[in-house]
Amino acid sequence: EPEVTQTPSHQVTQMGQEVILRCVPISNHLYFYWYRQILGQKVEFLVSFYNNEISEKSEIFDDQFSVERPDGSNFTLKIRSTKLEDSAMYFCASRVAGGYYNEQFFGPGTRLTVL
Amino acid sequence: KNEVEQSPQNLTAQEGEFITINCSYSVGISALHWLQQHPGGGIVSLFMLSSGKKKHGRLIATINIQEKHSSLHITASHPRDSAVYICAVRVANAGGTSYGKLTFGQGTILTVHP
Repeated sequence: EPEVTQTPSHQVTQMGQEVILRCVPISNHLYFYWYRQILGQKVEFLVSFYNNEISEKSEIFDDQFSVERPDGSNFTLKIRSTKLEDSAMYFCASRVAGGYYNEQFFGPGTRLTVL
Repeated sequence: KNEVEQSPQNLTAQEGEFITINCSYSVGISALHWLQQHPGGGIVSLFMLSSGKKKHGRLIATINIQEKHSSLHITASHPRDSAVYICAVRVANAGGTSYGKLTFGQGTILTVHP
């Protein structure tokens, strides 16, 4: 069964460093999402991406964040200069195009720890 | 006020019990998801609903659009059902394009004892 994959599963970095989190969405999906979950808190929307551009973003997704689909398969989230408060689980999700009723499929997540 | 509220926050049950988790939301939606999150952190989609009722094995999900309420039921609960259950909604975008972002509840921690 097709699935969303994410790498790495755990990333440890120093404050101020750049990190890139990688996702491979399901191959025929066209909408892509990043969410994050700070430990003990609820999952929050970061950004959605469609047709090679950001379609919607939250207040969390400031200039330190960027997303890219560099080729036909990968979808990346870059944090330019990490802060302690960026420590969280980051989930990628994808869905097929069209209609309101298409389900999102989630990846296993990347746990980011900023020291 | 949170747009999505779940109850209870914590739920402990004995194996075999019937379990209900509730979700109320305050906004117009186009769809509601029930998700399962295990201790390792990964999220699995259980159901997506826009009306009525869905059943998958021992899991049943219902939604009442007029009352802005959904329930997730687990029949004959088992210790392997222990997880966090999360309700998430896709907010309806009147007159515009919905790109499908989800708004999440805080989750219900379910523990089923043998």
